[in-house]
Amino acid sequence: DARVTQTPRHKVTEMGQEVTMRCQPILGHNTVFWYRQTMMQGLELLAYFRNRAPLDDSGMPKDRFSAEMPDATLATLKIQPSEPRDSAVYFCASGLRDLNTEAFFGQGTRLTVV
Amino acid sequence: AQSVTQLDSQVPVFEEAPVELRCNYSSSVSVYLFWYVQYPNQGLQLLLKYLSGSTLVKGINGFEAEFNKSQTSFHLRKPSVHISDTAEYFCAVTRTGGGNKLTFGTGTQLKVEL
Repeated sequence: DARVTQTPRHKVTEMGQEVTMRCQPILGHNTVFWYRQTMMQGLELLAYFRNRAPLDDSGMPKDRFSAEMPDATLATLKIQPSEPRDSAVYFCASGLRDLNTEAFFGQGTRLTVV
Repeated sequence: AQSVTQLDSQVPVFEEAPVELRCNYSSSVSVYLFWYVQYPNQGLQLLLKYLSGSTLVKGINGFEAEFNKSQTSFHLRKPSVHISDTAEYFCAVTRTGGGNKLTFGTGTQLKVEL
């Protein structure tokens, strides 16, 4: 059963600490997305990779957020330093560009910054 | 750029009653359209999608949606809802050739009551 795997599922951290969220996309998928979901803003696209190269990270605060794909099986989203306003659920999704169809979502990482 | 409007933030409905969740989109180019469902503390799951062909598309769990290009709408319908349909529903759009990069609406909370 192919699925997008995100770790950790929950993270509570203190303000100022570094947070790293990980995502394992579905094997063979060549596009990876990071979304953030909050009550106020809904689902926001933070970053978008194709074939491991970043295509669009305009939705991401550059001063504290960074997203990478060290290899085809791992995507990371880091926040350093974290702030209370970063509290949200972060979703990773992957898809197959050539089919141009839907993105498949992981179960998310619920981040709480205190 | 594309945008999606879901006018109803909450829709209460009694079990076994029909329901329609509204979605309107805006785009200057041709698009693909999707409905996703999110159950509590879960990721987003695809309900159905419109890529081309018949404007009436059927999805999982008895849901269907109709693409109306002239009205730029993609409303989701179910003839008889169940308690288990209680969830948040998101309409999303991507331009054709957009490579799975989705723009989401703000979501509609469907609450099914006995």
